[in-house]
Amino acid sequence: GAVVSQHPSWVICKSGTSVKIECRSLDFQATTMFWYRQFPKQSLMLMATSNEGSKATYEQGVEKDKFLINHASLTLSTLTVTSAHPEDSSFYICSALTGRTDTQYFGPGTRLTVL
Amino acid sequence: AQSVTQLGSHVSVSEGALVLLRCNYSSSVPPYLFWYVQYPNQGLQLLLKYTSAATLVKGINGFEAEFKKSETSFHLTKPSAHMSDAAEYFCASNYGGSQGNLIFGKGTKLSVKP
Repeated sequence: GAVVSQHPSWVICKSGTSVKIECRSLDFQATTMFWYRQFPKQSLMLMATSNEGSKATYEQGVEKDKFLINHASLTLSTLTVTSAHPEDSSFYICSALTGRTDTQYFGPGTRLTVL
Repeated sequence: AQSVTQLGSHVSVSEGALVLLRCNYSSSVPPYLFWYVQYPNQGLQLLLKYTSAATLVKGINGFEAEFKKSETSFHLTKPSAHMSDAAEYFCASNYGGSQGNLIFGKGTKLSVKP
């Protein structure tokens, strides 16, 4: 149980385009999901907290207009990187919080490369 | 500010040897503590968590960790390393008793030599 999926697993796009990444909790409902960014050989950096039915809470220094987060249902949160640039290339990981066990379960990550 | 420190960015052990990955937290109030494992190009998998119950926590794949308040430590151990244990390990903590706002250590890469 407690499986989180992400789609796509990797994406390559041209500079200036937008990319949408989906995060789904497959076998549980998640009122809260988190989006992280991980640079090579570094730890995870929390970007934002996504709550179903409300606006996401962004961490300091994260541009909310660039990284649009929508948590439309209890099993789906999306991260849209708008007008992507090469410096946005990174590994993006989502997690979903189960209220039942108060534990975050992580998705497999999405590798974004912006050319 | 609260923080999680992992000593040693890279640990190498021989197959069958003891694995010890170190983690220290900074807080006057014992937080919840977690160990996650990350295989290349994958997300994080929860190994174990401490939530103020038993100080010795057993996790998956034969790993365990002991919470020591006096040392503000939560080191991860496994008696006998297996080749499949080679991965990146992250210690994390949350402050306030909820799972939100995890603070991660910088990670320790474990290599296992045959």
